[in-house]
Amino acid sequence: EPEVTQTPSHQVTQMGQEVILRCVPISNHLYFYWYRQILGQKVEFLVSFYNNEISEKSEIFDDQFSVERPDGSNFTLKIRSTKLEDSAMYFCASSGNEGGGNYGYTFGSGTRLTVV
Amino acid sequence: KQEVTQIPAALSVPEGENLVLNCSFTDSAIYNLQWFRQDPGKGLTSLLLIQSSQREQTSGRLNASLDKSSGRSTLYIAASQPGDSATYLCAVLPSGTYKYIFGTGTRLKVLA
Repeated sequence: EPEVTQTPSHQVTQMGQEVILRCVPISNHLYFYWYRQILGQKVEFLVSFYNNEISEKSEIFDDQFSVERPDGSNFTLKIRSTKLEDSAMYFCASSGNEGGGNYGYTFGSGTRLTVV
Repeated sequence: KQEVTQIPAALSVPEGENLVLNCSFTDSAIYNLQWFRQDPGKGLTSLLLIQSSQREQTSGRLNASLDKSSGRSTLYIAASQPGDSATYLCAVLPSGTYKYIFGTGTRLKVLA
């Protein structure tokens, strides 16, 4: 079964550093998303991306964050100048249709980011 | 603003019991609703997806129902097993947006 792959599974970074979280969506999907889950809290939407541009973003997704699809297979989330409160599990997801179609969104297994 | 609530927050049952997890949402204008399973420190595994036009979906021992007009969904787990122990998350995709709104989950423990 096709899956969304995220790397690394766990990343530790110093406060103030930049991190890039990587995702390989399902190959024929066109819509891409990032979500995050702070420990003990709800999964929260960050951003959606379609046709090489952001289609929707949450209040959390400020100038500290950016997304990119640098080639035909990868989708990245960059966090500049990380803060302690950025520590969370970050999930990538993709879908073949707007609204997820018949299959919803497929989520990756997540990257646990720890800012120290 | 769409809000998703799940009750109970935690549930502990003996092996073999049938159980029901509840999810409620405040706005009935949704594309679909998904139930996910999350093991501690792990990712999200999709269990069942119900489109807004559907009433229920089944997969093995799992059955999910949707009553859009009343803003409710239930996940029924038959003959529970210790391997079912996990957190179960409900998420709705509101019409006109790309973002799933998640509930806080129900933490299930099935005792052997």
